[in-house]
Amino acid sequence: EAQVTQNPRYLITVTGKKLTVTCSQNMNHEYMSWYRQDPGLGLRQIYYSMNVEATDKGDVPEGYKVSRKEKRNFPLILESPSPNQTSLYFCASSLSYSSETQYFGPGTRLLVL
Amino acid sequence: SQELEQSPQSLIVQEGKNLTINCTSSKTLYGLYWYKQKYGEGLIFLMMLQKGGEEKSHEKITAKLDEKKQQSSLHITASQPSHAGIYLCGADLNTGNQFYFGTGTSLTVIP
Repeated sequence: EAQVTQNPRYLITVTGKKLTVTCSQNMNHEYMSWYRQDPGLGLRQIYYSMNVEATDKGDVPEGYKVSRKEKRNFPLILESPSPNQTSLYFCASSLSYSSETQYFGPGTRLLVL
Repeated sequence: SQELEQSPQSLIVQEGKNLTINCTSSKTLYGLYWYKQKYGEGLIFLMMLQKGGEEKSHEKITAKLDEKKQQSSLHITASQPSHAGIYLCGADLNTGNQFYFGTGTSLTVIP
């Protein structure tokens, strides 16, 4: 089954404790993205990747890192999480950037205390 | 500032009523996508529009992109409780390889 998976689905952590949210897709997609969703602000793009070893900042990259060592995986890293990073995070992938729908993962709900 | 403005922010309708959600941009929309999200879950792709004046329909949902490619509308005919959720427009604004979303419209359908 074609899908985007994210882990964990729910995470409670404390300020400053490094964490990684994994994202994996099995559709051989080149383009992958991370978004955060906050009430009243909608979805905002954090980072995106056009292909392996090609990542770039989205609208709200501060406090986040990503890597794309393999085509299927695109982990989101919070080196030192802060409470303002409490949010619902979505990973998405598409065959290419343009003219394609994005397939979304189920979301990761993060609470930073 | 928000690149894509959606209106209304929320909508409560009686089952069977028609409704329209709008998505407006100050920039040309090179690709406009409509998604539906159930509360707290992932997004489900509904439709994509690219050409000015384009209109697509799926079941009771119709989406249009205006001729100037700066506004899109999503129209639901004879709404049902299964239509409830958050509707988001997303777009390629040809500003690089970024993708933008509107703030979403929360739809409640009362049986």
